Amino acid sequence: QQQVKQSPQSLIVQKGGISIINCAYENTAFDYFPWYQQFPGKGPALLIAIRPDVSEKKEGRFTISFNKSAKQFSLHIMDSQPGDSATYFCAASPNNAGNMLTFGGGTRLMVKP
Amino acid sequence: NAGVTQTPKFQVLKTGQSMTLQCAQDMNHEYMSWYRQDPGMGLRLIHYSVGAGITDQGEVPNGYNVSRSTTEDFPLRLLSAAPSQTSVYFCASKRSYVQETQYFGPGTRLLVL
Repeated sequence: QQQVKQSPQSLIVQKGGISIINCAYENTAFDYFPWYQQFPGKGPALLIAIRPDVSEKKEGRFTISFNKSAKQFSLHIMDSQPGDSATYFCAASPNNAGNMLTFGGGTRLMVKP
Repeated sequence: NAGVTQTPKFQVLKTGQSMTLQCAQDMNHEYMSWYRQDPGMGLRLIHYSVGAGITDQGEVPNGYNVSRSTTEDFPLRLLSAAPSQTSVYFCASKRSYVQETQYFGPGTRLLVL
């Protein structure tokens, strides 16, 4: 049983559009929520992370929105570019150092030129 | 710096064979971990180490052994390979247990027949 559920499994967006990936969690002990980006043949790389004391965090074109009461968080990619085409994973951890991460199933994003 | 390196890149094993997946980092990181990545399931933590001589189990430790004799190396041993261990294995490291950003290696793709 996955403790972090991620949707959609795949996503196709036109260049310049907004990509939205959603995650829901069950464990109320989670208090650190990172997103990882993975290109084919490579290991995941930390993209952006949030803690539950804020509802939104923005870094460049990437924004995490966090809804503690609904136990949901999402990644928004503004002005999506073909170079953003990758697999994105949300994750959650019961400690704010990101140890014992529980990952979502991943979303394969394709941005069409 | 080479970062986190993993060998081999790809391996085929027969059921019952044993092998060691190698992981090394040259960043003097204390914390190292092993994940397996399976389609639709994200990454799952196998074992981790908070420093030389100290290891602990993650979410899916059965069938795997680890040791940490040096800061740089964290090998993962499969004692008797099973088809269920067919997966992509990632090693990761970070500066310390309390530091957030983990750096992932390029992965080892393992096929058990």
